[in-house]
Amino acid sequence: GIQVEQSPPDLILQEGANSTLRCNFSDSVNNLQWFHQNPWGQLINLFYIPSGTKQNGRLSATTVATERYSLLYISSSQTTDSGVYFCAARRGGHTGTASKLTFGTGTRLQVTL
Amino acid sequence: ETGVTQSPTHLIKTRGQQVTLRCSSQSGHNTVSWYQQALGQGPQFIFQYYREEENGRGNFPPRFSGLQFPNYSSELNVNALELDDSALYLCASSYLLTGSSYNEQFFGPGTRLTVL
Repeated sequence: GIQVEQSPPDLILQEGANSTLRCNFSDSVNNLQWFHQNPWGQLINLFYIPSGTKQNGRLSATTVATERYSLLYISSSQTTDSGVYFCAARRGGHTGTASKLTFGTGTRLQVTL
Repeated sequence: ETGVTQSPTHLIKTRGQQVTLRCSSQSGHNTVSWYQQALGQGPQFIFQYYREEENGRGNFPPRFSGLQFPNYSSELNVNALELDDSALYLCASSYLLTGSSYNEQFFGPGTRLTVL
């Protein structure tokens, strides 16, 4: 199956700093999602981005499918950005069924005052 | 639009018992997937249900089973509970259209299962 690796595993930032989280995947994908998991365990959808670039407020993401990586940018970080960020991918070639997402091990972000 | 809901929120069982977890999919979605998340790890795919049939399974033993109902809600059943089954169980719903690669998944808040 597809392998998903995330880096860095841990990140500590001061409020206001910018950061880049990376996700590498081992095969072509037709689904690539970024999630933020809050302290209560809820996975919050950030981006659905199998290719291209998207922006949502202070967050943006870019997936370069041909080079098998995705980046999540967080600008002007706030303490509420703290938590674990997961990248998850679905191997390409599957259409309509068997929508298994393979998750990375996450990046744990702590934003301090 | 109603999001994905799960019940119960927390559950404590003893080894050897059986448990049933429930999930209601987001309005308009026809597919439910279940994931297990052990402490400090990313979620692991258990299985998916589409049109009331299991449609894809991860590396989990047969004592993990499920159902999908005509309203697209779903149950996850785990028999003969083991200590290692202690985890957060997440349900995700999505809309699958045959022949389409679009498959954004939306997750519920999870059920935290503790096996003693």
